[in-house]
Amino acid sequence: SAVISQKPSRDICQRGTSLTIQCQVDSQVTMMFWYRQQPGQSLTLIATANQGSEATYESGFVIDKFPISRPNLTFSTLTVSNMSPEDSSIYLCSVVTSGELFFGEGSRLTVL
Amino acid sequence: GENVEQHPSTLSVQEGDSAVIKCTYSDSASNYFPWYKQELGKRPQLIIDIRSNVGEKKDQRIAVTLNKTAKHFSLHITETQPEDSAVYFCAAPLYGNNRLAFGKGNQVVVIP
Repeated sequence: SAVISQKPSRDICQRGTSLTIQCQVDSQVTMMFWYRQQPGQSLTLIATANQGSEATYESGFVIDKFPISRPNLTFSTLTVSNMSPEDSSIYLCSVVTSGELFFGEGSRLTVL
Repeated sequence: GENVEQHPSTLSVQEGDSAVIKCTYSDSASNYFPWYKQELGKRPQLIIDIRSNVGEKKDQRIAVTLNKTAKHFSLHITETQPEDSAVYFCAAPLYGNNRLAFGKGNQVVVIP
């Protein structure tokens, strides 16, 4: 499986600010996704990060709130914009290798 | 899109006993069914998966069985150990591709 590194691992943010999470993979991958895991909950797919084009968002998620970049096959960023306490979650980068989905360690955001 | 449900939500077992978690899905076209284990504070880890061309797959103490007619698949853990205590998530493909929809998770508690 690929090694997936996320930064920051955790952060405490003020309401109304934005934070960008970085995801770096040690090999080129075609499929890369961003998931959200709210406290005590399951994993919800935010979007598919497409290399060289706009991300594909799932129902309930919009580009203005969660802009995503994917400049190449090893790197992506997710920005959580204009944060509110409801955005306090773990955000996980994930990639598909050999037909299986693997997760990064996650970025735990707390919004005050 | 895919709807994935897990039962029971919490399962307590005595160490050494077996644990079985069942997952149902809605899309009959789905053909890939993974199980993830998430320990407290850690990322979800893929522990076993099955594709629709087989009915059962084993890996040491864990196994997954698939019933495509009934649209359900189950995780079996034999000879449970305290380190098996975790939340287990099943998943199935959204719209038949690598994007996964996750169930709500099962908390498994192994009592020493």
